[in-house]
Amino acid sequence: AQSVTQPDIHITVSEGASLELRCNYSYGATPYLFWYVQSPGQGLQLLLKYFSGDTLVQGIKGFEAEFKRSQSSFNLRKPSVHWSDAAEYFCAVDVYSSASKIIFGSGTRLSIRP
Amino acid sequence: EAQVTQNPRYLITVTGKKLTVTCSQNMNHEYMSWYRQDPGLGLRQIYYSMNVEVTDKGDVPEGYKVSRKEKRNFPLILESPSPNQTSLYFCASSLLATPDTQYFGPGTRLTVL
Repeated sequence: AQSVTQPDIHITVSEGASLELRCNYSYGATPYLFWYVQSPGQGLQLLLKYFSGDTLVQGIKGFEAEFKRSQSSFNLRKPSVHWSDAAEYFCAVDVYSSASKIIFGSGTRLSIRP
Repeated sequence: EAQVTQNPRYLITVTGKKLTVTCSQNMNHEYMSWYRQDPGLGLRQIYYSMNVEVTDKGDVPEGYKVSRKEKRNFPLILESPSPNQTSLYFCASSLLATPDTQYFGPGTRLTVL
């Protein structure tokens, strides 16, 4: 069955430090991949997506992610985090067939240390 | 302003009392869906709709109903709510039914006593 794994439930990094959030998926074909961010009390907002082409994708707020087919991974990175990046981050896979069917990971909560 | 709206934002109810959570989008999107968010489980899809009068089950449809009579509206109906439906609910829409960016509403926090 298709699944998305975010192995880190909670990560704390210092402001200005680099960040990497991990995401692994299980799916037979190349999926469509997304990262969403959820700020406290808010809905989800798209950070970036990968459908095809260049495996390193740039998103909003200085985030990027790299699709690695051999590792079934789509890790999210940011070179220098800001206090406003504190939020919950969700990796998602669209296993599109006749219609979109989106599977979300369980999320990684990011805290920023001043 | 392009947006997805949900009402109510907060709801406390009792077991068995029918309720409806409304969802409306003003972007002329074809695809709409409902998710529930529970701690440690991420978001799970309840129902989705590819267009007017076309709906289908997601991963956790038991206890829920939906309808899509108009393109902009996609209400979620709990005919006999139970405590295990206490959750945070999100409506989302996208332009097409093919892989596309989902636009999420602000969420409805439901408590069933």
